[in-house]
Amino acid sequence: GAGVSQSPSNKVTEKGKDVELRCDPISGHTALYWYRQSLGQGLEFLIYFQGNSAPDKSGLPSDRFSAERTGGSVSTLTIQRTQQEDSAVYLCASSPDGSEADTQYFGPGTRLTVL
Amino acid sequence: DAKTTQPTSMDCAEGRAANLPCNHSTISGNEYVYWYRQIHSQGPQYIIHGLKNNETNEMASLIITEDRKSSTLILPHATLRDTAVYYCIVEGSSNTGKLIFGQGTTLQVKP
Repeated sequence: GAGVSQSPSNKVTEKGKDVELRCDPISGHTALYWYRQSLGQGLEFLIYFQGNSAPDKSGLPSDRFSAERTGGSVSTLTIQRTQQEDSAVYLCASSPDGSEADTQYFGPGTRLTVL
Repeated sequence: DAKTTQPTSMDCAEGRAANLPCNHSTISGNEYVYWYRQIHSQGPQYIIHGLKNNETNEMASLIITEDRKSSTLILPHATLRDTAVYYCIVEGSSNTGKLIFGQGTTLQVKP
């Protein structure tokens, strides 16, 4: 079946611009995660959505970052007033129910370059 | 911070078993050990996970020591396509399933 998809695959933007990154999780998965991976760095947790519960935003690096998940499915990660340090690969993952023993399925990522 | 320590890199000959160690000495009783891998330019891929018992699936085996302070991921017959960064992750205490990735082990499978 279809896996997690993300768009765009690549995004180049100018410093100070806003960007929106999209994630389509696997159908039926109630949990959705955003991570980012900077050049040469490990993966860093950003935010977690589970059903209708309030999202866990503990990993968001600043208030320029926000995310929403509409209708319990598609999610959008928005970065306002982008900075060069925001350049990274942004990865989305989904899992069936978000429990601690759940398998996460990752998308291919969006490579963001801020000039 | 990651709760695991792994060697930075390892080499393995094609067709041989690859044994990737992981130390997690501060693991608590309800935390699972997960293994994911990331092939270059792709998103991470789930491999296997376990709590106390050894586990095996079509990709790998996971051996967890009796005191649960360390584990080993075994790829029984490594191929060139197994070249990747392998992440050992301990999670379960947050009740959210969010994964805290460390630096992982870069496994290079050589012909």
